Amino acid sequence: GENVEQHPSTLSVQEGDSAVIKCTYSDSASNYFPWYKQELGKRPQLIIDIRSNVGEKKDQRIAVTLNKTAKHFSLHITETQPEDSAVYFCAASKDTGRRALTFGSGTRLQVQP
Amino acid sequence: SAVISQKPSRDICQRGTSLTIQCQVDSQVTMMFWYRQQPGQSLTLIATANQGSEATYESGFVIDKFPISRPNLTFSTLTVSNMSPEDSSIYLCSVGLREGNEAFFGQGTRLTVV
Repeated sequence: GENVEQHPSTLSVQEGDSAVIKCTYSDSASNYFPWYKQELGKRPQLIIDIRSNVGEKKDQRIAVTLNKTAKHFSLHITETQPEDSAVYFCAASKDTGRRALTFGSGTRLQVQP
Repeated sequence: SAVISQKPSRDICQRGTSLTIQCQVDSQVTMMFWYRQQPGQSLTLIATANQGSEATYESGFVIDKFPISRPNLTFSTLTVSNMSPEDSSIYLCSVGLREGNEAFFGQGTRLTVV
C-alpha cells in the first residue's frame, strides 16, 4: 500500500519568514495530494490540494509543488503569521478504488512573533 | 463542502464496555471513512464504510473490534468494542464528495478509556 513520509516533524520560523514542508510517497499510482491544517483540539481542515496533472498550485500565501518523477510534493507558506501555527499533514490517494487518504506523520509549525 | 456532525464529541468509558460514535452528513456522499488519531500522532484509516454492505477494514483493524454500519448515504456509526486504555484516541469520521477526492472531517470524538 501507499506510504507517505513527511519532514520535518517540527519547524519554528520567525513571523514573516517562509516555511517549507516536504513529503514523499511510494505508490506511483497516487494522483491526489492534499494538505491539512489541524489546530489544537480541532478537526483537520483542507487548505490546499494538487492533482498529478499539475506541477504547482497557489492560493494567496500558500503553494504546493509536485514532482511526479521523484514522487515528492511540498507545501510552501510565505509571509508566515502567528495564526499559521498548527500541525500540518500531507496525504496521498488515488481517484479510483477506495480513495481513502494515507497521511504523513505531521509537521508542527510554530511561528514566533 | 459538507457539514458533518459527529457525536459524542467526547466520552470517558470504563474498560470492557463499548461506545458507538455517530456521523451524520447534511448531503448524500459517496465515500465515508473512519480514522483514528492517537495522542500527538497522525491519522490512521480504520475502515471504509460502504453503504449497504460490509465495511472494508485496513490492516490491523477487525470487524469484531470496530463494527461499522452505514444504512444510507448520509449516516454511519463506528463502535469501539470491549475497550481498553489503548483505545483512548480521537476517532474521526471523514466523507468524500461525489466529484473529486476532497475529504472533509467531522469534529472528532475524544475517547478516554479508564
